[in-house]
Amino acid sequence: AQSVTQLDSQVPVFEEAPVELRCNYSSSVSVYLFWYVQYPNQGLQLLLKYLSGSTLVKGINGFEAEFNKSQTSFHLRKPSVHISDTAEYFCAVRDRAGTALIFGKGTTLSVSS
Amino acid sequence: DTAVSQTPKYLVTQMGNDKSIKCEQNLGHDTMYWYKQDSKKFLKIMFSYNNKELIINETVPNRFSPKSPDKAHLNLHINSLELGDSAVYFCASSQMGTSGYNEQFFGPGTRLTVL
Repeated sequence: AQSVTQLDSQVPVFEEAPVELRCNYSSSVSVYLFWYVQYPNQGLQLLLKYLSGSTLVKGINGFEAEFNKSQTSFHLRKPSVHISDTAEYFCAVRDRAGTALIFGKGTTLSVSS
Repeated sequence: DTAVSQTPKYLVTQMGNDKSIKCEQNLGHDTMYWYKQDSKKFLKIMFSYNNKELIINETVPNRFSPKSPDKAHLNLHINSLELGDSAVYFCASSQMGTSGYNEQFFGPGTRLTVL
């Protein structure tokens, strides 16, 4: 069975500062990895995904994430955040034979000026 | 053009009532899901249907019954509502691919409040 741990429940940051949201996963099989964003009172939107190949994946809104197999991590980064990035961010994993996503508990990113 | 839509968006009801939430997708996908997001924003899979057949049925009280009349629709019926059922319920859909990868598209959610 897979599990996902998001190491920070809340990350406050000032506008234009860099940010890293940490995600570790555990699985005995190969997995796909995802980051989703949820803006207040909205559904989930896919930010980026790792399926295979290059370990550095780029997503929408200037976000990127790096897959590290040895550390079983998939941290999300952005070099300069905006107020509009304030949202809940979810890391998720899915094994290659499965269908359902297993989510972490989410990280609240709060960007202030 | 909404890809995955849910009705209603908000649902407030009394304990003991029976209610349904509807989901429709116009993406032509063959797999649909229900996820529950609790008050701490934790998301968990409840059910999944592929081509109208139930393929995932997590440990959910049998008061919850999904129904898929066709590939484009997945409804969730909840009997004898309890306070603990208060949550946001998300529908999602995806297309099974030969490679196994299938991006899931989520609906806007239905916020259920049980009083």
